[in-house]
Amino acid sequence: DAGITQSPRHKVTETGTPVTLRCHQTENHRYMYWYRQDPGHGLRLIHYSYGVKDTDKGEVSDGYSVSRSKTEDFLLTLESATSSQTSVYFCAISTGSDNEQFFGPGTRLTVL
Amino acid sequence: GENVEQHPSTLSVQEGDSAVIKCTYSDSASNYFPWYKQELGKRPQLIIDIRSNVGEKKDQRIAVTLNKTAKHFSLHITETQPEDSAVYFCAASNGYALNFGKGTSLLVTP
Repeated sequence: DAGITQSPRHKVTETGTPVTLRCHQTENHRYMYWYRQDPGHGLRLIHYSYGVKDTDKGEVSDGYSVSRSKTEDFLLTLESATSSQTSVYFCAISTGSDNEQFFGPGTRLTVL
Repeated sequence: GENVEQHPSTLSVQEGDSAVIKCTYSDSASNYFPWYKQELGKRPQLIIDIRSNVGEKKDQRIAVTLNKTAKHFSLHITETQPEDSAVYFCAASNGYALNFGKGTSLLVTP
């Protein structure tokens, strides 16, 4: 599946704790994305990266930060998790901003 | 920003019938329109896509049509099978990211 993995696959945490999700790719694709998926909302873009150290905000970026120090890794951090951030998080990779995106297996995050 | 509307939200068809899902978009600069299929508990998978310089594209039982003037595009599945049951998402790219519709839950009954 396009050489993309996410870790952890499941996480339960408490309100106020920091959480970092990792996306790793072996495809050497330039673009990487973080989405969240919630019932009734489809997939919403949180942040994306168009190269090492080059990132930008998406539609629902409040409460999230990202970092990309290597081509293969894109990290999503919730500085202080809230219950509204309970969701399934998907990473995606692409060779270009208007090219096919391939998704990782997802991370199910529960914030109690 | 881009706004993508998708209809219907649920669709039930009998095996062998056709299914049509429609999407509209707001940004006339959008030029890439993919469709994803997502089975329960799985990741979205790209099934077909179309670019703005093409009006129709077909891949076996799946076809997508694009009307740039009206800013809408549609997914057509013919001879549906139970394994087509899933949630389908349309999306539109305006040059920096994909904007997704909210999805259509398709149920194909034997």
